[in-house]
Amino acid sequence: GEDVEQSLFLSVREGDSSVINCTYTDSSSTYLYWYKQEPGAGLQLLTYIFSNMDMKQDQRLTVLLNKKDKHLSLRIADTQTGDSAIYFCADKLTGGGNKLTFGTGTQLKVEL
Amino acid sequence: GAVVSQHPSRVICKSGTSVKIECRSLDFQATTMFWYRQFPKQSLMLMATSNEGSKATYEQGVEKDKFLINHASLTLSTLTVTSAHPEDSSFYICSAPDGGNTDTQYFGPGTRLTVL
Repeated sequence: GEDVEQSLFLSVREGDSSVINCTYTDSSSTYLYWYKQEPGAGLQLLTYIFSNMDMKQDQRLTVLLNKKDKHLSLRIADTQTGDSAIYFCADKLTGGGNKLTFGTGTQLKVEL
Repeated sequence: GAVVSQHPSRVICKSGTSVKIECRSLDFQATTMFWYRQFPKQSLMLMATSNEGSKATYEQGVEKDKFLINHASLTLSTLTVTSAHPEDSSFYICSAPDGGNTDTQYFGPGTRLTVL
């Protein structure tokens, strides 16, 4: 089955850029998503990218997709303390209905 | 974006009792909803797909007689944990696709279940 991996932890200083990486194994992904989870809360959709796109920018967020390497990244510009959370990438596969496969999650810690 | 609610947000119960968790899509209809379980500091594990008007589809290893799912209407799905045991303690999250062009999934705020 599909395997989605992320690094477990990332620490950055306030004002710097954060880059969270995600790799996946199934090339039949249709959409790839980034969700944010704060402690004790559900998942908040941040952004998504269609598999035929290479890049998508939405305010402070930039998503890069390298289909050849099956690599997805989320860049957060001017990272703030409020960005501290766990970030999950997820993908939707062709023929998988609306099922999502989630990555392991990356804990982002923003330090002053 | 679309809004999904869950109720209750937190529940504590005794072993052997049953607990019902509701998931509602507030401003859209959903023919399918998804139920996930999340252990501390871990990712989400898909438990089952709730289908309006038909039986739920369970993932491998999930006991359908223990986790009863009912999709009563196009805006409501319920998960009942029957004869709960301490090992059922977890964070349960539901999601629903919004039916738009991308069928993006929106998540509820989660329910923290503690079984004593």
